[in-house]
Amino acid sequence: GQNIDQPTEMTATEGAIVQINCTYQTSGFNGLFWYQQHAGEAPTFLSYNVLDGLEEKGRFSSFLSRSKGYSYLLLKELQMKDSASYLCAPFSGSARQLTFGSGTQLTVLP
Amino acid sequence: IAGITQAPTSQILAAGRRMTLRCTQDMRHNAMYWYRQDLGLGLRLIHYSNTAGTTGKGEVPDGYSVSRANTDDFPLTLASAVPSQTSVYFCASSDRTSGGNNEQFFGPGTRLTVL
Repeated sequence: GQNIDQPTEMTATEGAIVQINCTYQTSGFNGLFWYQQHAGEAPTFLSYNVLDGLEEKGRFSSFLSRSKGYSYLLLKELQMKDSASYLCAPFSGSARQLTFGSGTQLTVLP
Repeated sequence: IAGITQAPTSQILAAGRRMTLRCTQDMRHNAMYWYRQDLGLGLRLIHYSNTAGTTGKGEVPDGYSVSRANTDDFPLTLASAVPSQTSVYFCASSDRTSGGNNEQFFGPGTRLTVL
């Protein structure tokens, strides 16, 4: 089965750092995706973690702990354009499918 | 065409009517997916296709059907629309070959309202 938990909303200030957590219970877990979705737009790919540890990509980093069923997305030097919903999506290798969490709506304030 | 496209962009439909949402990709991805997105519920998988000629049911398949006659197209049909099918529908595709990383690319979405 699939069970994904991430905060519904977060607020942070421009220039700050924010960490969005995600816990999951996924059958046949094979990796975890993070997507960004601006209001009224399609989700776009941010990161994919297969192995434990931190993956850094510019201002965004993503961490995975397979044994704990835990991931986080770290956003540094926040900009107003980072205001969006961030979707945690574990990938099941056995089902070959993504399951999406409900998303964390991040609001960046000036 | 670049990437993945959907049509129409939005539609208002009377309950009981039949409707087909279109999805086309030009990336030669073998896998395609249909999701619906509702406030507070996130993206939920309706149907998927791992390769042309095959389809499978997702989490919420009732009231929907799909076909995959070729690699590029993956239409979603509502045989008799009901108000609970009011939602935003996203089509996606991914490369599920051994060299692919399973990243899903999304179309721009279709906003459907059933009255």
